[in-house]
Amino acid sequence: AQSVTQPDIHITVSEGASLELRCNYSYGATPYLFWYVQSPGQGLQLLLKYFSGDTLVQGIKGFEAEFKRSQSSFNLRKPSVHWSDAAEYFCAVGEAGGSYIPTFGRGTSLIVHP
Amino acid sequence: GAGVSQTPSNKVTEKGKYVELRCDPISGHTALYWYRQSLGQGPEFLIYFQGTGAADDSGLPNDRFFAVRPEGSVSTLKIQRTERGDSAVYLCASSSRGTRTDTQYFGPGTRLTVL
Repeated sequence: AQSVTQPDIHITVSEGASLELRCNYSYGATPYLFWYVQSPGQGLQLLLKYFSGDTLVQGIKGFEAEFKRSQSSFNLRKPSVHWSDAAEYFCAVGEAGGSYIPTFGRGTSLIVHP
Repeated sequence: GAGVSQTPSNKVTEKGKYVELRCDPISGHTALYWYRQSLGQGPEFLIYFQGTGAADDSGLPNDRFFAVRPEGSVSTLKIQRTERGDSAVYLCASSSRGTRTDTQYFGPGTRLTVL
């Protein structure tokens, strides 16, 4: 069965600093990979997704992620964090041959210091 | 246009009671998903509808949980004989066709507290 590991429960960065959130997945074939953001009281919003092709994926709000098959990773990056980026971030993996029900990681809470 | 809406936003009930949670998907979306999110965890899949039928209900934890979507739009998640362990945020999402490349749009969730 597919699974996702987000090893960092909390990440604290200063505003303007760069950000990298880690995500490792377990899946036998080429997965579908997603990053979602959840702000307090809000629903999950899709930041970006990878299905195939270019392994560097650009998303909304200045985020990008890179699929590395050799490392089973799909880390999320942003070159300069804004205070409004403080939120919970979830990585998810979906089966390429299944009914497309994503499995989510437990999330990483991003704290931004001014 | 309007996004996915869920009502109520908060529900407090007593152990053993019956509750219904409602989801209004984006108009025209044929696929609808229910998830449960416990504190400190990511969303956990419960059930997936394609139109009026449940295409995948493998995530429902037991027979106390049931969901319907009689007209292919609004869906109701029903929980019988609630237990304290059912306390969580219940999320609903919809997508246009339910294909693998579709984006799921999530509602704000219903926070269920079982006392």
